[in-house]
Amino acid sequence: DAGVIQSPRHEVTEMGQEVTLRCKPISGHNSLFWYRQTMMRGLELLIYFNNNVPIDDSGMPEDRFSAKMPNASFSTLKIQPSEPRDSAVYFCASSFLARGLARKETQYFGPGTRLLVL
Amino acid sequence: AQSVTQPDIHITVSEGASLELRCNYSYGATPYLFWYVQSPGQGLQLLLKYFSGDTLVQGIKGFEAEFKRSQSSFNLRKPSVHWSDAAEYFCAVGSSNTGKLIFGQGTTLQVKP
Repeated sequence: DAGVIQSPRHEVTEMGQEVTLRCKPISGHNSLFWYRQTMMRGLELLIYFNNNVPIDDSGMPEDRFSAKMPNASFSTLKIQPSEPRDSAVYFCASSFLARGLARKETQYFGPGTRLLVL
Repeated sequence: AQSVTQPDIHITVSEGASLELRCNYSYGATPYLFWYVQSPGQGLQLLLKYFSGDTLVQGIKGFEAEFKRSQSSFNLRKPSVHWSDAAEYFCAVGSSNTGKLIFGQGTTLQVKP
């Protein structure tokens, strides 16, 4: 199993530029999560999808951030325009949500994308 | 509100010594609990998880954790630490309604030779 794949692994860009982060979840998983990790705020959930549908985007910082999941094997997180305070490590995670009332699942994380906005 | 507290930001132990990393959670219903490890420059790797049943759970790399409902704790233990265990460790609680994970701030483990 290839695990969760993220690209690019590192991104350096200038303030005002558009940044697109990509994620390929584990095959067969039906839930996908985007997290951001910073020294100040730790790991925080930005948005998550079930069956390609965004369920909760309350963690998205502002309108400059957007996420899509056009199919079960691909998701993007876009920042436009980027700002220095967006510098962080962005993780994608996926899980398999079985049918049932309670969510009992394990999230598997990708290696992350280290973003530096100058 | 759900929350996870890892009281120790940084811990240093000697190689071969025992280890215990503390985790306290706040959650109204039955919690689903996880420990992840993050090596420098790497992603998060699942060490172990508790969903239900036996309160002492075994994980990879010789780690174990004990769920204590009365103390709202899920401490991670290892009887003998290896230099390769140096990393950052995260405790997390999962919502049974949404599947969202709430992470603690992490504990950085340093291992002395």
